[in-house]
Formats: sequence, structure tokens, C-alpha cells
Amino acid sequence: QQQVKQSPQSLIVQKGGISIINCAYENTAFDYFPWYQQFPGKGPALLIAIRPDVSEKKEGRFTISFNKSAKQFSLHIMDSQPGDSATYFCAANTGFQKLVFGTGTRLLVSP
Amino acid sequence: DSGVTQTPKHLITATGQRVTLRCSPRSGDLSVYWYQQSLDQGLQFLIHYYNGEERAKGNILERFSAQQFPDLHSELNLSSLELGDSALYFCASSARDRGDGYTFGSGTRLTVV
Repeated sequence: QQQVKQSPQSLIVQKGGISIINCAYENTAFDYFPWYQQFPGKGPALLIAIRPDVSEKKEGRFTISFNKSAKQFSLHIMDSQPGDSATYFCAANTGFQKLVFGTGTRLLVSP
Repeated sequence: DSGVTQTPKHLITATGQRVTLRCSPRSGDLSVYWYQQSLDQGLQFLIHYYNGEERAKGNILERFSAQQFPDLHSELNLSSLELGDSALYFCASSARDRGDGYTFGSGTRLTVV
């Protein structure tokens, strides 16, 4: 019940396209849902986060869509650029618990 | 620079040896989390400290231990090293005893030969 399931494992998108990464969770007590971006050899960096009181949050080209009833949330990267090529992790937690991470999605944006 | 400092950046050691990884959290952050990331794997939670106290343990081997000192820096001790312990080890810090707002360090790459 503490798991966060992430898909796809890898994704290839053409420059200018939309990248979509999905996550699903079981624990309805989760109340914080961040996305992290990790470049090779670097630590993950917080990209964008959402709480379940809103269904969508947008920051620049990055949007989180949140479906509370389906227990799913997704990351959309609009106008994907080669510089967005990285591994993306979704995560979730509740209260004073640690973040639970998804298994990661390796995104490659082709020029 | 995220503000979370991990040393050393790289470490190569032999099987059976013992190493210590160090993490200095971002200024003002009281929580430190340790994660292990093996090649092409996700982030495996090891342990969480808050203001010097252990708060949660994940899949941390008995050969591994950690502590957080009064100045809030943390050390992860790995002993009787095996080839399979080769991985990136990350620490992250947050301001409160809660997972939101994690800031990760750049990691220590451990290679056991």
C-alpha cells in the first residue's frame, strides 16, 4: 500500500512533442505528490509538486494532473526539449512519513 | 549547488572493507534521509534522522548504520562491503520531520572491487 507505481519505464519523444509520465498510488492518506528530475551523475531535483486539493498545477512547460478518485497523477512536459532528457521520479507521502518514490522514467527527447 | 553537501563524491574500495559517507544538510534543515540508487534502479530508502533521532528505517542492511550528530550532519557507515553494495548513495534534507521539500545532495558513488 506504500508503493507508487510509475509508467512507462522509458519514453522517447520528438522535440516539440508532449511527454507524459503516469503514476498510481494506493494509500489514500498520501497528501503530497512531487516530481523529481535527475540528470546522469546528479542528485534528483524537485521539479513540481501538488497537493490533492487541486486537480492541476502548472509551472512553465511542466504540468501535474491529479485525479483523486482514480488515485493517479501524471506529469506532462509540453514542447519537450533535448535538455529535458533525464530520469523523472514521482513520489508521495503523508504526514511525517518519508517520501515513497516511483521506479523512474527515463525520458529521451530526440532533436 | 543544492545546499546539501555530500563527501566524498567518489569512493573505490575493496570487498570486506568499511567506509563512511558524510552528508551536511541544507542550512536550517533538521531532517536527513539516506537513499541508495543502484545502476538503472530507483531510489531505495535507507534511513531517516530528524534532529539527531532516528525516525524511520527502510531496507537498510544490518551491515549499514547511520547517525546524525548535534551539528545535524549525518554519516552513513557501510561495513563488510560486498560487490552488490556498489551504488550511488544520496542524502536529502528537509526543514521539518516531513518528506515534502526534499533537497538532494549530488551523491557519493561507491564502487566495491
